[in-house]
Amino acid sequence: GAVVSQHPSRVICKSGTSVKIECRSLDFQATTMFWYRQFPKQSLMLMATSNEGSKATYEQGVEKDKFLINHASLTLSTLTVTSAHPEDSSFYICSARERVDYGYTFGSGTRLTVV
Amino acid sequence: EDQVTQSPEALRLQEGESSSLNCSYTVSGLRGLFWYRQDPGKGPEFLFTLYSAGEEKEKERLKATLTKKESFLHITAPKPEDSATYLCAGHSGNTGKLIFGQGTTLQVKP
Repeated sequence: GAVVSQHPSRVICKSGTSVKIECRSLDFQATTMFWYRQFPKQSLMLMATSNEGSKATYEQGVEKDKFLINHASLTLSTLTVTSAHPEDSSFYICSARERVDYGYTFGSGTRLTVV
Repeated sequence: EDQVTQSPEALRLQEGESSSLNCSYTVSGLRGLFWYRQDPGKGPEFLFTLYSAGEEKEKERLKATLTKKESFLHITAPKPEDSATYLCAGHSGNTGKLIFGQGTTLQVKP
């Protein structure tokens, strides 16, 4: 089945620094990938849709300058949290869909802690 | 507005005690109702996709059903390893987005 790999699984960074999270589709090509954010005991909130070779589409209220998304190839999308602050601490998850009639496959998530 | 609501928020069962989780949805141009399992600190794991009212799918002790307004995840004779948060999500054909419910956290005690 489809596998989506996400790295790192955990990262701690200092306030003001930037952090990059990678999302790879291992056995299929994904022209579109999705980035979600999940707060403790809450559900997944879509942040942006990443499109290969073009600009990402951000959801309302998501700062595009803070959460930079790059989808440079059919198997890799990256999310960079720039100038991170403690309030950016969260669980970030990516997903992709191998085929229209398949379910969405999620990565294992990245726990970001900004200190 | 697209919305997915799950109930209950939390459910505690004894091992072997069957029950059902509810997912009510209002999703424009629904193109699939998804069920996922999420363990703490992990990403969601795909369980089922249902596309039309009346459809049912089964996997081990889990069975998902769909009506025009709701979906149910039935758990038969659950085991402690079934403990997890179960997420329901509707795929909107109008927006192309996956709308998630808040989840039901299931705890199965031995």
